[in-house]
Amino acid sequence: NAGVTQTPKFRVLKTGQSMTLLCAQDMNHEYMYWYRQDPGMGLRLIHYSVGEGTTAKGEVPDGYNVSRLKKQNFLLGLESAAPSQTSVYFCASRGAGQSHQPQHFGDGTRLSIL
Amino acid sequence: ELKVEQNPLFLSMQEGKNYTIYCNYSTTSDRLYWYRQDPGKSLESLFVLLSNGAVKQEGRLMASLDTKARLSTLHITAAVHDLSATYFCAVEETSGSRLTFGEGTQLTVNP
Repeated sequence: NAGVTQTPKFRVLKTGQSMTLLCAQDMNHEYMYWYRQDPGMGLRLIHYSVGEGTTAKGEVPDGYNVSRLKKQNFLLGLESAAPSQTSVYFCASRGAGQSHQPQHFGDGTRLSIL
Repeated sequence: ELKVEQNPLFLSMQEGKNYTIYCNYSTTSDRLYWYRQDPGKSLESLFVLLSNGAVKQEGRLMASLDTKARLSTLHITAAVHDLSATYFCAVEETSGSRLTFGEGTQLTVNP
């Protein structure tokens, strides 16, 4: 039971570098989400997708881009990393019309920008 | 804009004691979720509350939802050390699909 898998688990970048975080789910979920978690601020929604080929902005989208080319994958990109993007990033998924089910979370990606 | 506030943000309690964590939210919703997070780990779902008056219990934890007061509570009965973690509530907008999280309550249960 893989559930939601995030790659990589850890990464250190220099300011200005770019990278892509990968989220993969094997539950055939329509909805996928990217959050960032900073100390004392809970989880904040960056971008989300309600289906293959669709994306939408969340609460803190600036500096990030996303793509959902395949239903099972949701990619989060940082085009030019900044120290303010140092955070723990969580991906989550849930089936459409399944409010009775919680969102399922991956293990997180710990990203440091120097 | 939906806002979710938890209190307290930090809670230190003794084993065997009872306490309640509160989650207030700003707009109409009847879908509320509680999660637990251990240090350095992911979020684990505890409860899903989907209607006014909903009450769910699992072990020493009980969660309830009052949609008219826009309030959910997470009650801890006879706390044990294993309950030490950070607890988040999250509210789903009535339009569906998005969650807004509270800041989290960091619970420490001392022997």
